[in-house]
Amino acid sequence: NAGVTQTPKFRVLKTGQSMTLLCAQDMNHEYMYWYRQDPGMGLRLIHYSVGEGTTAKGEVPDGYNVSRLKKQNFLLGLESAAPSQTSVYFCASSQAGLAGKDEQFFGPGTRLTVL
Amino acid sequence: ILNVEQSPQSLHVQEGDSTNFTCSFPSSNFYALHWYRWETAKSPEALFVMTLNGDEKKKGRISATLNTKEGYSYLYIKGSQPEDSATYLCAFRPPGANNLFFGTGTRLTVIP
Repeated sequence: NAGVTQTPKFRVLKTGQSMTLLCAQDMNHEYMYWYRQDPGMGLRLIHYSVGEGTTAKGEVPDGYNVSRLKKQNFLLGLESAAPSQTSVYFCASSQAGLAGKDEQFFGPGTRLTVL
Repeated sequence: ILNVEQSPQSLHVQEGDSTNFTCSFPSSNFYALHWYRWETAKSPEALFVMTLNGDEKKKGRISATLNTKEGYSYLYIKGSQPEDSATYLCAFRPPGANNLFFGTGTRLTVIP
């Protein structure tokens, strides 16, 4: 099993450009998450999904959109990139959220730079 | 947004020393507390998921305890080794939430 994979690994954008980050998991997990990680800030939740066709906002959703058309995929979109969105983005997945069974499995991260 | 605090932010220990660090979370409502280990240039990996007051979990030389009434968890590493060098994250999940709230981590460096 590949676990959680993310595409691309690195990307450089100019301000105003758009892009989509792809997250895929092969563990049949219901829940998927997008985080950003900035120095001194820890992991902050952008959006998450509790099942195919559902999405919800996290702590820092502004400037991002997400879609979960298939259970195994969770897409993160930036419609008009800004330098403040320069960050490392992590995707994660977990089983349905019963306490004790909800450990999250993380992808390798995508390093995004917006110039 | 819930306040999850970890201390210290960083520490250096000599190989062979034992060490511990703290995660503090709101004690008023509790569902689960997670610990993750995050090595540089890798992804976070789950160490423990703790759900009951008084829980104590162990994996090799690493163990964790949980006090939900006072809102803290300790992570202990016995006989630290250089390969234990990593950032240790805790994450709190309150009742009714589908997501975790992460602390900023404790960065451990074990000096050979």
